[in-house]
Amino acid sequence: ILNVEQSPQSLHVQEGDSTNFTCSFPSSNFYALHWYRWETAKSPEALFVMTLNGDEKKKGRISATLNTKEGYSYLYIKGSQPEDSATYLCAFMADRGSTLGRLYFGRGTQLTVWP
Amino acid sequence: GAVVSQHPSWVICKSGTSVKIECRSLDFQATTMFWYRQFPKQSLMLMATSNEGSKATYEQGVEKDKFLINHASLTLSTLTVTSAHPEDSSFYICSARRVGGEFYEQYFGPGTRLTVT
Repeated sequence: ILNVEQSPQSLHVQEGDSTNFTCSFPSSNFYALHWYRWETAKSPEALFVMTLNGDEKKKGRISATLNTKEGYSYLYIKGSQPEDSATYLCAFMADRGSTLGRLYFGRGTQLTVWP
Repeated sequence: GAVVSQHPSWVICKSGTSVKIECRSLDFQATTMFWYRQFPKQSLMLMATSNEGSKATYEQGVEKDKFLINHASLTLSTLTVTSAHPEDSSFYICSARRVGGEFYEQYFGPGTRLTVT
């Protein structure tokens, strides 16, 4: 079982604050790193899929970076809004053998943004 | 696009009974569907991978005779928990890989909360 760690486990911020979360994953056999946004009672929504070392992706106020050599990714939210409240999941996809295509998830970071 | 539904969203059943959970891709055809399970405060863990028309591949430690997976069409996969016990109480969620889509993309359903009493 491949280990994917996310920190912090939970985060409470005020509206307008910027925040960031960390995902660490194995630095070998890398294929892709996913970030999902998951609201209660809804389907996890794909935010980013990153495949190349040094990748930086942006979607509105949310951006992500990727370092495959050291095995970490950061997710940033600029100017948090209450509607950003959700659990943010990262998932690692390996590139070898029987694990090809499987997603290994972290436990998620639960973000609460207070108005 | 790429919407996946699950039914039911929650179910309570008695110990010893069987429960079927459906996973449907509503606006695309899925070559592969995945079933995950999440226990409280744990991460989503892959249980099995199924391809349309073939037998599912189960992860180590997942009993194939207990968790029956049928992927009879390109838009429907079912998970049947047979002879459910309280330890099977969990959150079950499916995902689907689209025909012609990127290999690394998976689209998730909203999940099913199973409680076995």
